[in-house]
Amino acid sequence: DGGITQSPKYLFRKEGQNVTLSCEQNLNHDAMYWYRQDPGQGLRLIYYSQIVNDFQKGDIAEGYSVSREKKESFPLTVTSAQKNPTAFYLCASNFNDEQYFGPGTRLTVT
Amino acid sequence: QKEVEQNSGPLSVPEGAIASLNCTYSDRVSQSFFWYRQYSGKSPELIMSIYSNGDKEDGRFTAQLNKASQYVSLLIRDSQPSDSATYLCAVRLRQGGKLIFGQGTELSVKP
Repeated sequence: DGGITQSPKYLFRKEGQNVTLSCEQNLNHDAMYWYRQDPGQGLRLIYYSQIVNDFQKGDIAEGYSVSREKKESFPLTVTSAQKNPTAFYLCASNFNDEQYFGPGTRLTVT
Repeated sequence: QKEVEQNSGPLSVPEGAIASLNCTYSDRVSQSFFWYRQYSGKSPELIMSIYSNGDKEDGRFTAQLNKASQYVSLLIRDSQPSDSATYLCAVRLRQGGKLIFGQGTELSVKP
């Protein structure tokens, strides 16, 4: 069963805690992306990686960190430095210029 | 000026009608254009990509691109209630570059 998986679907954390969101793909795609979506604001790019062991900041990287140790995996850590972490987080990967999304993780921080 | 602009809607059409969704972009060198459908609470799903001026048809969907006027549109023929969703326009400046998304247009198809 191929595709992009994100876990968990819903995540609740207390303010001040770091949290790591999982993103895995078995599509053999090189490029992977993390976005956040807030109501009425569309998708904003957090980080992206075009090859293993390399990644670049997107438009809103502050308060987030990533790693790309394996082609299949691109986890995102939301740190306590992120001021407004509550959002819908979407992982995506690219194939032939087309971008496909995982099911998303809805993070709520209280 | 926003890089990719869409009317947020909601756009309401009766079942069986043609829904027309529009998107304008600011950078003339943009090369790739995409339409995504996003149901409430779900992730975006790619429904159309278009790279050249003109029309591209896929079933009930037609994407139209006019690079001179810097707009891309999506037509949905014979609209169904199941088409009710938010439609996101996305533009890529160059091969391998990042996607820029519009804020999305909410479509409601009334039975």
